[in-house]
Amino acid sequence: AQSVAQPEDQVNVAEGNPLTVKCTYSVSGNPYLFWYVQYPNRGLQFLLKYITGDNLVKGSYGFEAEFNKSQTSFHLKKPSALVSDSALYFCAVRQSSGNTPLVFGKGTRLSVIA
Amino acid sequence: DTAVSQTPKYLVTQMGNDKSIKCEQNLGHDTMYWYKQDSKKFLKIMFSYNNKELIINETVPNRFSPKSPDKAHLNLHINSLELGDSAVYFCASSRARIAGAVNIQYFGAGTRLSVL
Repeated sequence: AQSVAQPEDQVNVAEGNPLTVKCTYSVSGNPYLFWYVQYPNRGLQFLLKYITGDNLVKGSYGFEAEFNKSQTSFHLKKPSALVSDSALYFCAVRQSSGNTPLVFGKGTRLSVIA
Repeated sequence: DTAVSQTPKYLVTQMGNDKSIKCEQNLGHDTMYWYKQDSKKFLKIMFSYNNKELIINETVPNRFSPKSPDKAHLNLHINSLELGDSAVYFCASSRARIAGAVNIQYFGAGTRLSVL
């Protein structure tokens, strides 16, 4: 069975500082990994994905994520946080083979303080 | 134009009522989804349709019945509403779910259902 763990309910960071939102996963075989962001009263928006290749993937709004197979992690990062980055972030995983659904983590609320 | 649109945005109703939520996508996608987000923001898939055919049906009470009149629409009908049905329901769409394919999902803004 697939699963995603986001160990932090809340991450607080000062504007201009680097941010990290953690994600670990469990899946049979190779994973497809995603990050989505949800702003208040909005649907989820795709940020970035890892399929294969370079372990460091770059996405929208200056975000990036690093795939680490040995640690089964896919942490989201940004070198310099903005107040406008404050939102709810979801990590998601699915198997690379078969027709399994996307499984989401429980979300991490990021607050960037000016 | 909104890519994935849901109506209504808010729905307040009494226990025992029957209600429907509509979803339309104009992205030309073949696959559509319904997700439920509970009060703790946990997001869980309910159903998925690929070209009007049901392909994912998670453990959901049979009071919930999706209907896809065409591949651009996936409506959710809920019978005999219960207090525990209160949540935000999200519709999403993606390109065809071919096994092993990587398809980004595009979400609607959500329907906040409150059952009193």
